Amino acid sequence: EVQLVESGGGLVQPGGSLRLSCAASGFTISTYWMSWVRQAPGRGLEWVANINQDGSEKYYVESVKGRFTISRDNAKNSLNLQMNNLRAEDTAVFYCVASGGFLLRGYWGQGALVTVSS
Amino acid sequence: DIVMTQSPDSLAMSLGERATINCKSSQSVLYNSNNKNYLAWFQQKPGQPPKLLISWASTRESGVPDRISGSGSGTDFTLTISSLQAEDVAVYYCQQYYSAPLTFGGGTKVEI
Repeated sequence: EVQLVESGGGLVQPGGSLRLSCAASGFTISTYWMSWVRQAPGRGLEWVANINQDGSEKYYVESVKGRFTISRDNAKNSLNLQMNNLRAEDTAVFYCVASGGFLLRGYWGQGALVTVSS
Repeated sequence: DIVMTQSPDSLAMSLGERATINCKSSQSVLYNSNNKNYLAWFQQKPGQPPKLLISWASTRESGVPDRISGSGSGTDFTLTISSLQAEDVAVYYCQQYYSAPLTFGGGTKVEI
């Protein structure tokens, strides 16, 4: 069964750090672009970042540049998102996505909740 | 960045009615070299990740019922549900994948 499972979410204080991980099973991520898409409670979808198959290309939404870092470990079949200097407005469910390219056709995880609050 | 603007924010329809959702991009998402519009439509139900319905502005994904269709080109796009069914209650998003940062519209909530 194909699955993407996010982990590492939780409650963190403003200014703190958190590392999200996404573990893939049932397929190999090495041939996929990988993305993070987030959704604040009761709000719409926002693409956060993506990374190409070998990690040589990375793109970020402006609001997280310099604070978030996307990375992948193809040997471990996993994707990561290091989030530093977190803000209240980063509170969201973060989805991991595997796709063929910028078109988000592929596999989505069920999401991990990140709450930034004091 | 390409800004995606959807309208309306919400739709209250009756079963069997036609639902139309509009999406406008701040710049063209038509790539001239291949004449393709880099525009997708997603459906999201509560507690679930989004589901891709339409790619390339009008190509229905496998398993998507043919009452759901996409149209448009350049900067103006439409998602149409020809005869609304109970299972179509959801939030619908357009999204451009022409260039990074990828951007979504604000969403349209379809209710019965």
